Amino acid sequence: DTGVSQDPRHKITKRGQNVTFRCDPISEHNRLYWYRQTLGQGPEFLTYFQNEAQLEKSRLLSDRFSAERPKGSFSTLEIQRTEQGDSAMYLCASSQNVLRGGVYNEQFFGPGTRLTVL
Amino acid sequence: AQKVTQAQTEISVVEKEDVTLDCVYETRDTTYYLFWYKQPPSGELVFLIRRNSFDEQNEISGRYSWNFQKSTSSFNFTITASQVVDSAVYFCALSRWTSGSRLTFGEGTQLTVNP
Repeated sequence: DTGVSQDPRHKITKRGQNVTFRCDPISEHNRLYWYRQTLGQGPEFLTYFQNEAQLEKSRLLSDRFSAERPKGSFSTLEIQRTEQGDSAMYLCASSQNVLRGGVYNEQFFGPGTRLTVL
Repeated sequence: AQKVTQAQTEISVVEKEDVTLDCVYETRDTTYYLFWYKQPPSGELVFLIRRNSFDEQNEISGRYSWNFQKSTSSFNFTITASQVVDSAVYFCALSRWTSGSRLTFGEGTQLTVNP
């Protein structure tokens, strides 16, 4: 399977614990995005990387959240001191940074990690 | 700031009916992209279509068609002869023209197609 993969698919944790999620993008894609989706809402942008550089962060990404992409391949999203409001689906997407006459490169999404904070 | 509004929270139809999902957007940009994604119960977002802001031609793909009207800032999605497998949440999204820009999603429309 050559799609975007995320691990784990589900995570249940207690309030105050730290959690880390992993995303493996499509292999030739150098852009990687994190979104958060709460129940009944559309996904909201958190951050994105081009290769290993984190180029944009949303105001939603509080100081308890940190994302890395150390070698420009997989990425991790860590949430420290989780709160019940962090319960959501965390979605990863990747795209290829190839500009061809203005052609947009679609973002392909993974299956998501569903976080439940008790 | 960019904003996408999908006023229909839930729609329920009977199989073989046609159904239109509405999408209205706001942006100060003169060039931008619009998208539709499908999210089945499994949860994975599936890309359906991308349109750029200077191409207002309607598009048809099988049972799916899209009507883009820049004058009313709308990008509506019609499923003809709906099927049970079309049941999903459908999201409209907007991005800036710059390659790699974030997607701004609407709140989604839950479509249920009953047999």
